[in-house]
Amino acid sequence: EAGVAQSPRYKIIEKRQSVAFWCNPISGHATLYWYQQILGQGPKLLIQFQNNGVVDDSQLPKDRFSAERLKGVDSTLKIQPAKLEDSAVYLCASSLVLGGTSPLHFGNGTRLTVT
Amino acid sequence: GDSVTQMEGPVTLSEEAFLTINCTYTATGYPSLFWYVQYPGEGLQLLLKATKADDKGSNKGFEATYRKETTSFHLEKGSVQVSDSAVYFCALEGFQKLVFGTGTRLLVSP
Repeated sequence: EAGVAQSPRYKIIEKRQSVAFWCNPISGHATLYWYQQILGQGPKLLIQFQNNGVVDDSQLPKDRFSAERLKGVDSTLKIQPAKLEDSAVYLCASSLVLGGTSPLHFGNGTRLTVT
Repeated sequence: GDSVTQMEGPVTLSEEAFLTINCTYTATGYPSLFWYVQYPGEGLQLLLKATKADDKGSNKGFEATYRKETTSFHLEKGSVQVSDSAVYFCALEGFQKLVFGTGTRLLVSP
């Protein structure tokens, strides 16, 4: 099966600019996650979708980050305006169903550098 | 809140050495526990999991046992290979959300 697809692979922007990341999950996977992985740290959940509804966005900085999952398939994550501390790898993952019995499949991530 | 603590790396070993990477957790209830691995240039992959106390997860020669009494889920392998060089993440699932540790880099030399 095709894996989780993310683009772009790398992005360099200046602070205060905006940026968007795209994710296409594995076909049929109802649950989609966006994680932020800062260098030297473990991935931190930003937002979790079940189909096109938000399950958890408690750690999403909503003043600058937004995400959507139209039609319950692809998803975009946007940052506007970006700050230096947003430099990180943004990981998208999907799973068949909600919960730990269904493993998460991760994409290769988008590495964002904010200068 | 729920949290995972892993030993700091890098862990440097020679090929065929025994590997242990320590992981302890704090959680409400009885979470499922996981080890994920990230090879250079690749995305995170599930390595193994255990869903209840005393369960042993295993895959590719790696093992980890869910120890409720010590709240631990240490990763072990009897004989590492150069191809095992990667970053290993311990994680727990609480309230339908995965919480990751900070990761431990393993470097295996020939």
